[in-house]
Amino acid sequence: DADVTQTPRNRITKTGKRIMLECSQTKGHDRMYWYRQDPGLGLRLIYYSFDVKDINKGEISDGYSVSRQAQAKFSLSLESAIPNQTALYFCATSDSAMTGLNQPQHFGDGTRLSIL
Amino acid sequence: GQQLNQSPQSMFIQEGEDVSMNCTSSSIFNTWLWYKQDPGEGPVLLIALYKAGELTSNGRLTAQFGITRKDSFLNISASIPSDVGIYFCAGRNSGGSNYKLTFGKGTLLTVNP
Repeated sequence: DADVTQTPRNRITKTGKRIMLECSQTKGHDRMYWYRQDPGLGLRLIYYSFDVKDINKGEISDGYSVSRQAQAKFSLSLESAIPNQTALYFCATSDSAMTGLNQPQHFGDGTRLSIL
Repeated sequence: GQQLNQSPQSMFIQEGEDVSMNCTSSSIFNTWLWYKQDPGEGPVLLIALYKAGELTSNGRLTAQFGITRKDSFLNISASIPSDVGIYFCAGRNSGGSNYKLTFGKGTLLTVNP
């Protein structure tokens, strides 16, 4: 979805480095999410945010942190990267005002992160 | 936790053939979503289902929300080469928070011209 922009698209870094992945959206959605995708495992939720300054852990939050300083931006940080965090990372957004509980999520094009 | 089984894992078909894939859940869902992911891109929503028994079409794609609320299928008719990609189902549990989607592991579709 062109309205959900992730930067960088690709990143190679070394073990122990601090990494920040950025996500920005022009959809005006209030909810934002970070997922990681590994081959054969599908998409797993890392963190999610319902509004500015709201942060909630997903199913695999260990080793990650997030920041939601503005409605349109949600950043994911790896404080000290390790090789098993090599994966494809996706940001997604949804609109809580849409059809009550059932709003679908819209995804960015992903960040491919490799940790050596 | 919730289990969501998607099958088949992969399919190799000839152009023009119909395709069917499905997802089953260990718990009741109140929403089923079907996404397609092209190489190098994020998942794109194809069809959203919100009621048990609901049958919804999007062009050559048809999806149904199972009556038991524990399954859903996606059919693609008259496949074409651009249908190639990974198809994901995702469901939302009726008893949980409205944020969390559980994703299937995906069906990799290859279409031979």
